[in-house]
Amino acid sequence: AQSVTQPDIHITVSEGASLELRCNYSYGATPYLFWYVQSPGQGLQLLLKYFSGDTLVQGIKGFEAEFKRSQSSFNLRKPSVHWSDAAEYFCAPNQTGANNLFFGTGTRLTVIP
Amino acid sequence: GAGVSQSPRYKVAKRGQDVALRCDPISGHVSLFWYQQALGQGPEFLTYFQNEAQLDKSGLPSDRFFAERPEGSVSTLKIQRTQQEDSAVYLCASSPPTSDTDTQYFGPGTRLTVL
Repeated sequence: AQSVTQPDIHITVSEGASLELRCNYSYGATPYLFWYVQSPGQGLQLLLKYFSGDTLVQGIKGFEAEFKRSQSSFNLRKPSVHWSDAAEYFCAPNQTGANNLFFGTGTRLTVIP
Repeated sequence: GAGVSQSPRYKVAKRGQDVALRCDPISGHVSLFWYQQALGQGPEFLTYFQNEAQLDKSGLPSDRFFAERPEGSVSTLKIQRTQQEDSAVYLCASSPPTSDTDTQYFGPGTRLTVL
């Protein structure tokens, strides 16, 4: 059965520090991969997506993610976190040929000054 | 242009009441999705429309849940005889002409609380 795991429920980083949020998936074939961010009271916003090709994907707000087939991972990174990055982050694979997204349980990011 | 809008933003219902949640997708978007997000969880798929056709309703948790999109634009999610376990944020998303690679654009959600 398909599944997605975000092992870190809550991460706290200092402003200016680097960030990596983990995402592992289990699918029969490589799915399309998305990262969304949800700020309090806001809708989900797409940060970046991977379909094929270059395994390092650039997104909005300075985020990037790297697809590693051998590890079934799609970790999200940012070199220097800003206080406004505090939010909930969701990894969401989309099985090829399916329409709906399958979300992980999310990682809540807290940024301290 | 305007994004996806949902109304009401907050709804409180007594157990057993019927509720209707509205979604206005981005103009011209063919695909429309409903998701349910319980507290502390990621969104879970409920149902999917392509224009007015409901192509997938596999995520609807029970026959108390019903969704429609009669004219291929606005959609309504109806929950009959609400139960406490229905308390959640209901998210609507739309995307352009059909492709599983299309970005889904989400609305702010409707927070439903069943007392």
